[in-house]
Amino acid sequence: KQEVTQIPAALSVPEGENLVLNCSFTDSAIYNLQWFRQDPGKGLTSLLLIQSSQREQTSGRLNASLDKSSGRSTLYIAASQPGDSATYLCAVNAGNNRKLIWGLGTSLAVNP
Amino acid sequence: KAGVTQTPRYLIKTRGQQVTLSCSPISGHRSVSWYQQTPGQGLQFLFEYFSETQRNKGNFPGRFSGRQFSNSRSEMNVSTLELGDSALYLCASSQGVSLLSDTQYFGPGTRLTVL
Repeated sequence: KQEVTQIPAALSVPEGENLVLNCSFTDSAIYNLQWFRQDPGKGLTSLLLIQSSQREQTSGRLNASLDKSSGRSTLYIAASQPGDSATYLCAVNAGNNRKLIWGLGTSLAVNP
Repeated sequence: KAGVTQTPRYLIKTRGQQVTLSCSPISGHRSVSWYQQTPGQGLQFLFEYFSETQRNKGNFPGRFSGRQFSNSRSEMNVSTLELGDSALYLCASSQGVSLLSDTQYFGPGTRLTVL
């Protein structure tokens, strides 16, 4: 049974720091992995999607990597800003993107 | 283009009551999925409706049901509410063409509190 774990559960950093959020999964048979951002009262927003054949994806200050063999993905945020404060969720797609397996998220606070 | 809207945004009910939540998808989207989010379990898939038919179902008891109308708007109903049903209920819409990787757009959620 696929399980997704995110560490740390919460993170507080000063503005300007580079940071890494971690996501691990137990079954390497995945179709893709997605990183989402959740803001209170605003729902979820898809940030990056990495296909199982890819090693990384980049969007602006965000870079996500995927290592299927070790069951790990990281989300790297460069030069963090207070507007990056949110909960970041990773989700594994094993072939049906309705039945994603979700981590519990990392709550990020970037302090001015 | 307007995003996914959910009503109501907040709801307080008591045990044993029933509740109906509503979701209006992005115009042109035919698929609507419902998720339950709790601090302990995270996000869990409830069910998906596509063109008025339930296409996918998660592992929730029969107290949880839904439907979709011809205009793609969807409702979710929970009967005989239990304290454990307190959660954020999220709705997501997509074009629904591919179950592998079509992009889902999430609404802001309905916060249900059961007392």
